[in-house]
Amino acid sequence: TQLLEQSPQFLSIQEGENLTVYCNSSSVFSSLQWYRQEPGEGPVLLVTVVTGGEVKKLKRLTFQFGDARKDSSLHITAAQPGDTGLYLCAGEYNQGGKLIFGQGTELSVKP
Amino acid sequence: DTGVSQNPRHKITKRGQNVTFRCDPISEHNRLYWYRQTLGQGPEFLTYFQNEAQLEKSRLLSDRFSAERPKGSFSTLEIQRTEQGDSAMYLCASSPSGNTDTQYFGPGTRLTVL
Repeated sequence: TQLLEQSPQFLSIQEGENLTVYCNSSSVFSSLQWYRQEPGEGPVLLVTVVTGGEVKKLKRLTFQFGDARKDSSLHITAAQPGDTGLYLCAGEYNQGGKLIFGQGTELSVKP
Repeated sequence: DTGVSQNPRHKITKRGQNVTFRCDPISEHNRLYWYRQTLGQGPEFLTYFQNEAQLEKSRLLSDRFSAERPKGSFSTLEIQRTEQGDSAMYLCASSPSGNTDTQYFGPGTRLTVL
């Protein structure tokens, strides 16, 4: 069974602080995605990483895929209240189509 | 709006009733996925279609659940004899067949079974 462990589960920080969310597995994934979800809505795709060691940037968000394609991280610089939400990592295993999701990191950024 | 749409957005039903949800994917996407999400958890895979063919079903999809995509466009998910444990957000996603890792999600249908 392929599992993705996310940490931390909850994170409450002040505006302007930096943070990192981790997504780890013992399985190798063909690709990994990060989503952001707001209450009562579906997840919104932020980024897809497919190559081991790949780094992608999206404004203040930096995503990294581990060299062995078993783990990933999301780093947010100078967090803002608008970053508040549930961040989910999801991996596609063996190009099988279905996504395996982590349990999510609930981020709260206080002004 | 050309994103994934789901109807209804909310459904409240009594235990034992049948419910049906609809998903309209992005028009050029061949693949359509159903996931279920309970409070405080990430989504869990239920099933997916390539055009009208149902290619994989999770063990979570008991015999009370059935999904169809008859014309390879919209899909329906039916739950028969609902139970309180079926209460969850049901999410639909779609992707192009050549880029299956890039899945776009709809807003979900929130089911509450009383």
